[in-house]
Amino acid sequence: EVQLLESGGGLVQPGGSLRLSCAAAGFSFSTYGMSWVRQAPGKGLEWVSAISGSGGTTYYADSVKGRFTISRDNSKNTLYLQMNSLIADDTAVYYCAKDPAGLRLPLDYWGQGTLVTVSS
Amino acid sequence: DIQMTQSPSTLPASVGDGVTITCRASQSISSWLAWYQQKPGKAPKLLISKASTLESGVPSRFSGSGSGTEFTLTISSLHPDDFATYYCQQYKTYPYTFGQGTKLEIK
Repeated sequence: EVQLLESGGGLVQPGGSLRLSCAAAGFSFSTYGMSWVRQAPGKGLEWVSAISGSGGTTYYADSVKGRFTISRDNSKNTLYLQMNSLIADDTAVYYCAKDPAGLRLPLDYWGQGTLVTVSS
Repeated sequence: DIQMTQSPSTLPASVGDGVTITCRASQSISSWLAWYQQKPGKAPKLLISKASTLESGVPSRFSGSGSGTEFTLTISSLHPDDFATYYCQQYKTYPYTFGQGTKLEIK
């Protein structure tokens, strides 16, 4: 059974930093790409970033480019999102999702999400 | 970026009704379209991939169709469990983009 468990969310001041983690289990982690998707309170879904299975290729939404960094540790089956220079608009639930883009498949498994609140 | 536009934003319906949600892409995405269902406080759940392929375990009352720029999600006879918000998403290319969502609510 595929399991994705996010952690690291919380309250942070504008301009601050936070690192999210996503622990994966139940599939061959290094074989698949992974994505982060966020959802602001009461709003729709916004794709944030993706990384290939090897970690060698990354993609970012324009809204976070230069501020967020996606990475992974395949030895620990863990995905990360380093978030710097946070602004109020980054307030959202952040989901990690398995992203089999190489197989021409969409985001097929999602974690339960972790809430990030940017406020003074 | 590819823009995804869903309609309607809200869809009042009753148990037993058949409903259709439309999703339009700003450029051709072939069949690289997914549909998700999301309930309050929960993560999205993948229902359909490649425009019309039903995921394992998804009831057959759900169906998807379309290609290019026009897509539809149809629920043939609503069950109480189907009242939720539905999103389309293109996965032809990064950045992935979602429609704004359609909230299916009880009339």
